[in-house]
Amino acid sequence: DTGVSQDPRHKITKRGQNVTFRCDPISEHNRLYWYRQTLGQGPEFLTYFQNEAQLEKSRLLSDRFSAERPKGSFSTLEIQRTEQGDSAMYLCASSLRDRTYEQYFGPGTRLTVT
Amino acid sequence: DAKTTQPTSMDCAEGRAANLPCNHSTISGNEYVYWYRQIHSQGPQYIIHGLKNNETNEMASLIITEDRKSSTLILPHATLRDTAVYYCIVRPLGADYQLIWGAGTKLIIKP
Repeated sequence: DTGVSQDPRHKITKRGQNVTFRCDPISEHNRLYWYRQTLGQGPEFLTYFQNEAQLEKSRLLSDRFSAERPKGSFSTLEIQRTEQGDSAMYLCASSLRDRTYEQYFGPGTRLTVT
Repeated sequence: DAKTTQPTSMDCAEGRAANLPCNHSTISGNEYVYWYRQIHSQGPQYIIHGLKNNETNEMASLIITEDRKSSTLILPHATLRDTAVYYCIVRPLGADYQLIWGAGTKLIIKP
């Protein structure tokens, strides 16, 4: 399967704990995006990378959130000191730079903070 | 960014054409119309996009009105697997513009 993969698919954590999610994009895609989605809403943009450079971060991305794409391949999204409001589906997508409108999404990581 | 308005939900009979409307009355000249869909428990999937001409691909057709203030996504022969939330998004073509998502239309295909 050469699509976008995410790990883990589900994560349950207690408030105050740190969590890290991983995304493996389609190999030839140089753009990688992170989104958050809550029930009944469309995805909300969080951040994106062009190769290893993080080019934009949404105001939604508080200081507790950090994302990396160290070698321009896979990416990680870390949430520190989780809060119940962080409970959501975290989606990763990738695209080619000249086709950023055509994003390929992974299955998402569902985070539940108790 | 131009705002889009879509119905919250729609039903369609299996085998019939599903016509999903989208209103984008404030669209500007450099903004394209994009459609994605999200099947339950999956990530969104790109369907089609267009500027002003009608577009067709293997998944769907996109009809944009002459004044570009609205568009319709057409699934010509809907199947049960087309049950999903359909998102209409308006944004410029450039690489650094983000996709801004609304709540979409929940399309239910009935047998």
